Amino acid sequence: QQPVQSPQAVILREGEDAVINCSSSKALYSVHWYRQKHGEAPVFLMILLKGGEQKGHDKISASFNEKKQQSSLYLTASQLSYSGTYFCGTVKAAGNKLTFGGGTRVLVKP
Amino acid sequence: DTAVSQTPKYLVTQMGNDKSIKCEQNLGHDTMYWYKQDSKKFLKIMFSYNNKELIINETVPNRFSPKSPDKAHLNLHINSLELGDSAVYFCASSSVGLSTDTQYFGPGTRLTVL
Repeated sequence: QQPVQSPQAVILREGEDAVINCSSSKALYSVHWYRQKHGEAPVFLMILLKGGEQKGHDKISASFNEKKQQSSLYLTASQLSYSGTYFCGTVKAAGNKLTFGGGTRVLVKP
Repeated sequence: DTAVSQTPKYLVTQMGNDKSIKCEQNLGHDTMYWYKQDSKKFLKIMFSYNNKELIINETVPNRFSPKSPDKAHLNLHINSLELGDSAVYFCASSSVGLSTDTQYFGPGTRLTVL
């Protein structure tokens, strides 16, 4: 079952914040976040394990609510370089298959 | 030094033909993957190999056959190509294939079937 991402797209001005959500109907072991720029390969951002941890990568951070089977990616003080499509990937408990959500397109304007 | 490389980058072919995509990683990883990304950007796993052994085989037509001659290489052969096979195919690799591993993606191969 594919995780559901929301919103599908977001347009920001430089310096603004945004939140991308990723929800699953299945129990999760880990959540992975990737960013893909147009015409390029997905690039790893961070992994969150169950336990409700929060991680950060520059001014991009994420949290994982194990009880709700939901992860959120926070783009803080967005930069032009944050533009791209963000994918969450989920791994079910005791599994090793990464199932990606449909992606969230982010456009940061000057 | 490219970590995960794929050839060719672009592939344009006629319906019914057979084609192959090659993938190589120089990261020393044990696990390699093939993903398909369709026109709506949906990224879906197709196959995964760990140390030359097939461990994930999603619901993919039999026309798709992966082959791993060694743990650094994972090739994808597609028989009798159909219009719906047009997509970008990404190869990826990870250290040991655990749920906590980072996956490193190759640059992708854009396949267009006419």
